[in-house]
Amino acid sequence: DVKVTQSSRYLVKRTGEKVFLECVQDMDHENMFWYRQDPGLGLRLIYFSYDVKMKEKGDIPEGYSVSREKKERFSLILESASTNQTSMYLCASSQGTNSYEQYFGPGTRLTVT
Amino acid sequence: GQSLEQPSEVTAVEGAIVQINCTYQTSGFYGLSWYQQHDGGAPTFLSYNALDGLEETGRFSSFLSRSDSYGYLLLQELQMKDSASYFCAVGDHTGFQKLVFGTGTRLLVSP
Repeated sequence: DVKVTQSSRYLVKRTGEKVFLECVQDMDHENMFWYRQDPGLGLRLIYFSYDVKMKEKGDIPEGYSVSREKKERFSLILESASTNQTSMYLCASSQGTNSYEQYFGPGTRLTVT
Repeated sequence: GQSLEQPSEVTAVEGAIVQINCTYQTSGFYGLSWYQQHDGGAPTFLSYNALDGLEETGRFSSFLSRSDSYGYLLLQELQMKDSASYFCAVGDHTGFQKLVFGTGTRLLVSP
């Protein structure tokens, strides 16, 4: 079974802090994604990566950056956390170009105070 | 760009059949996916339709009509454990499997 793990289940940070969210997948997937999920807004794509060191902006990249130094690991960085970044963050991975099946991690509930 | 519309909430009783509709507007179309998410859980993939017609997987079926930009998820023999949120998603035209998700339909199954 594909396993996608995220570094923290819950995280509380202060405004202005730099925040790192880590995601690791164990199935050698090419594609990795970061979403945020807010009530009534569904899942919104922040960034995605289709290869090591490659990244593409999603629909809401402002205030975020990402890093993919190894195929299995995709990090989301909040350079200076703000209260409006309080949300559930979900990482996902998928294989190749012929499947729209994404595998999600359990999520990180981030609260910025 | 892409946009999807689905009902915010649907209620049904155990044993019943429920249909969750999804209409979409896209600049390119590469198929319609469905995901299930229980409260506090991760979204899990249910089905994918690239072509018109009905795809059946056990109690769940998914339908697509590309000419109508419409699809639905059909859940039969509802069980309490089917209470969850269901998201439709369309593939992005870029070909990198980027998905655009709907805002989700919360299904409440009562005894």
